[in-house]
Amino acid sequence: QKEVEQDPGPLSVPEGAIVSLNCTYSNSAFQYFMWYRQYSRKGPELLMYTYSSGNKEDGRFTAQVDKSSKYISLFIRDSQPSDSATYLCAMSRVKTSYDKVIFGPGTSLSVIP
Amino acid sequence: SAVISQKPSRDICQRGTSLTIQCQVDSQVTMMFWYRQQPGQSLTLIATANQGSEATYESGFVIDKFPISRPNLTFSTLTVSNLSPEDSSIYLCSVGFVRGSTDTQYFGPGTRLTVL
Repeated sequence: QKEVEQDPGPLSVPEGAIVSLNCTYSNSAFQYFMWYRQYSRKGPELLMYTYSSGNKEDGRFTAQVDKSSKYISLFIRDSQPSDSATYLCAMSRVKTSYDKVIFGPGTSLSVIP
Repeated sequence: SAVISQKPSRDICQRGTSLTIQCQVDSQVTMMFWYRQQPGQSLTLIATANQGSEATYESGFVIDKFPISRPNLTFSTLTVSNLSPEDSSIYLCSVGFVRGSTDTQYFGPGTRLTVL
């Protein structure tokens, strides 16, 4: 079993839709959770960062962490064509600036105008 | 966030040769990391480079194949040695960075390596 599972997609939605992206993980030691966005031929860009369980909102993006279920989600409201990218969930056991980050395989998202 | 640059952005190399990738950060950082992203796959950590000490390698990665230097707090290099087509990947450096309540890693743009 992989440490982090993520549906690779591809996921295609119309502009304006609400997008839900999810990951499950197996290691209960993970405490720091991130979502990165990666455009084609670019490095990953940090979108959301959360510590432990709970919700965090930033503009059109909401990240949710449920440590009891080992499940994390990213919601994108009012999706735009510019949101078309691969979304990577990621997590670490201790403070991320010092620790190995484990990435999910990524979900490819296309937002159709 | 930190601004990270990598050189070269891409390269095509012959089997058996080596490629050295440079990573430059615009601020001093303690921890730098090197990841590999193979085609269609996610990122895998190769090693952690802490200034002033030897790099720490992950299982499956060895110093003879991936020597790393970390001469100061803003710069690191990764060399991929004795290249084979299986080394064709994107190589990314990241830096550990703390800003306010966010303690995370920021990534460079990557180096796309093709081995013929």
